[in-house]
Amino acid sequence: KAGVTQTPRYLIKTRGQQVTLSCSPISGHRSVSWYQQTPGQGLQFLFEYFSETQRNKGNFPGRFSGRQFSNSRSEMNVSTLELGDSALYLCASSTRSMGRTNTEAFFGQGTRLTVV
Amino acid sequence: GEDVEQSLFLSVREGDSSVINCTYTDSSSTYLYWYKQEPGAGLQLLTYIFSNMDMKQDQRLTVLLNKKDKHLSLRIADTQTGDSAIYFCAETDINAGNNRKLIWGLGTSLAVNP
Repeated sequence: KAGVTQTPRYLIKTRGQQVTLSCSPISGHRSVSWYQQTPGQGLQFLFEYFSETQRNKGNFPGRFSGRQFSNSRSEMNVSTLELGDSALYLCASSTRSMGRTNTEAFFGQGTRLTVV
Repeated sequence: GEDVEQSLFLSVREGDSSVINCTYTDSSSTYLYWYKQEPGAGLQLLTYIFSNMDMKQDQRLTVLLNKKDKHLSLRIADTQTGDSAIYFCAETDINAGNNRKLIWGLGTSLAVNP
């Protein structure tokens, strides 16, 4: 069974641009969560989508947005990129909504975004 | 608000035991997780424990929970070089209704020296 697939793996953008990252969850998984990982801040929760609805949202500015399609694939968009947005963006999928009892999250390898 | 804290680095010799510690603040009933992240990879669930348990053992891994002190530890017996990775502690509050989410520590980077 294929794992969580994130594309692209690496991305370089300039300040002010926008970027769209993609995540294909494991087949049958309806929950997709996005995280930002940086050395200083660790894993920061961005948002979770479940059956095309945003279920939960972290403390990120409105420049960060996402959506989920009917096939559970999810995209994350960051507009007006800043240098501080450089990070590894991880996507995780699960069968049920994240945080429910003993639900395992399966992570992709991440997209490494560098803003210059 | 909820918070999960871990020490950032741990270095051990191959064959020794590793103990990675984590403290959390949420006093509600929780599930507590240990995830492992190898270089260039996503996170992988190692094990989890519910807050009404004191201990859980799975092969070389032992999880100990001190609910009174809100302290969680992961012990890796006979640590191998392949165990070198970042280990994340995470918790979830099952009573938070639709606001349930995983709260993550910053991760402990484990270095295993031959």
